[in-house]
Amino acid sequence: DAMVIQNPRYQVTQFGKPVTLSCSQTLNHNVMYWYQQKSSQAPKLLFHYYDKDFNNEADTPDNFQSRRPNTSFCFLDIRSPGLGDAAMYLCATSRGGANTEAFFGQGTRLTVV
Amino acid sequence: QQQVKQSPQSLIVQKGGIPIINCAYENTAFDYFPWYQQFPGKGPALLIAIRPDVSEKKEGRFTISFNKSAKQFSLHIMDSQPGDSATYFCAASDSGNTGKLIFGQGTTLQVKP
Repeated sequence: DAMVIQNPRYQVTQFGKPVTLSCSQTLNHNVMYWYQQKSSQAPKLLFHYYDKDFNNEADTPDNFQSRRPNTSFCFLDIRSPGLGDAAMYLCATSRGGANTEAFFGQGTRLTVV
Repeated sequence: QQQVKQSPQSLIVQKGGIPIINCAYENTAFDYFPWYQQFPGKGPALLIAIRPDVSEKKEGRFTISFNKSAKQFSLHIMDSQPGDSATYFCAASDSGNTGKLIFGQGTTLQVKP
């Protein structure tokens, strides 16, 4: 029973063509995160929502945007993908606050051609 | 100061061996230290976590040792099995920061039969 579901699992997009990745959760968690993970590297936080409050990491490029229309869904929009944006994109959720476990989805592998 | 440093980058042990992965941090505001296990093509999954008021935590074959004064913590895998072959990430979070995780660089573990 998947609790954090990411779609699609694999996405191929053209250089410069906007792409949207989606994440849904059945855990009713307050916080949703988007991480970027490049090959053989640690996940890097792009931004997160605490409920409707959006928090952008200082070094997240403007090319990356996010939307959270409701508690269950969160989207990652890449406005003009470059070759350097090819990566695994991981969505995670948590209740927020102290000592709370983050639950990750399976990720979306983005290829830019 | 937000970094978590992890070593070694890779590790090979024989079945039954006890691989040890080490992490160090600087930010004394961190108060939650989870370890995540990641298999290729999958999202990270929580393995075990510790708070700084505890020096050791054991769950099954996995043990975290925590040294608050040295700002270091480590993962020990007892009686390692080939199925433990994966990438392991330590992480840290500050509960006042919506639980966002700062990951170490990762350790790729191979357990030989």
